[in-house]
Amino acid sequence: QVHLQESGPKLLRPSETLSLTCTVSGDSLISTVFYWAWVRLPPGKGPQWVGSVFHSGSTYYHPSLESRLSMSIDTSKNQFSLTLRSVTAADTAVYYCARDPGGVDFWGQGILVTVSS
Amino acid sequence: EIVMTQIPLSSPVTLGQPASISCRSSQSLVHSDGTTYLNWLQQRPGQSPRLLIYKVSNRFSGVPDRFTGSGAGTDFTLQISRVEPEDVGVYYCMQATHFPQTFGQGTKLEI
Repeated sequence: QVHLQESGPKLLRPSETLSLTCTVSGDSLISTVFYWAWVRLPPGKGPQWVGSVFHSGSTYYHPSLESRLSMSIDTSKNQFSLTLRSVTAADTAVYYCARDPGGVDFWGQGILVTVSS
Repeated sequence: EIVMTQIPLSSPVTLGQPASISCRSSQSLVHSDGTTYLNWLQQRPGQSPRLLIYKVSNRFSGVPDRFTGSGAGTDFTLQISRVEPEDVGVYYCMQATHFPQTFGQGTKLEI
């Protein structure tokens, strides 16, 4: 069974940078053929796919976030990360990391990130 | 971006009775490889989402057979043959055929 766990700050001020890390167990990021994704769930809205990263380091980002977003992967630690710059209140959401075989299957427990002054 | 529209947004159900959720996409979800990448997710209260159905009609590991997915093209349905108490929550359809992946707004199933 694949297990994913998000970690990072839960409160940010506008214009700051959000950095989240996902630690994966039960699957090896280097040996898998899957992408690894971030999905966020804003309050009162449906989920939004944020981006996905492959073990080679190749990435796909949501077009609306691409200018502020970067993702990376550390196969030696079995972790992947998200960096979102210049956050605003609109970035407030529960952020989930997930496995992405073409439509996410296993999800982490999520971390609520609040952007507020 | 593909828009996924779910109907209804809220559905009161009766234990032991069937339930159905519809999902419509703004474009066909048939990929150039012939596969339709339409999934259904369940999010129970206080939990993270979990995959129920993938590629329209395939149950994910551990999903009870009372859950059935069907549909083609732009119209899809999730059916629960007999609602159990643990089925309460929000259900999302999502597509991964077209970039970027997109989700429906969710259907809240409540007893």
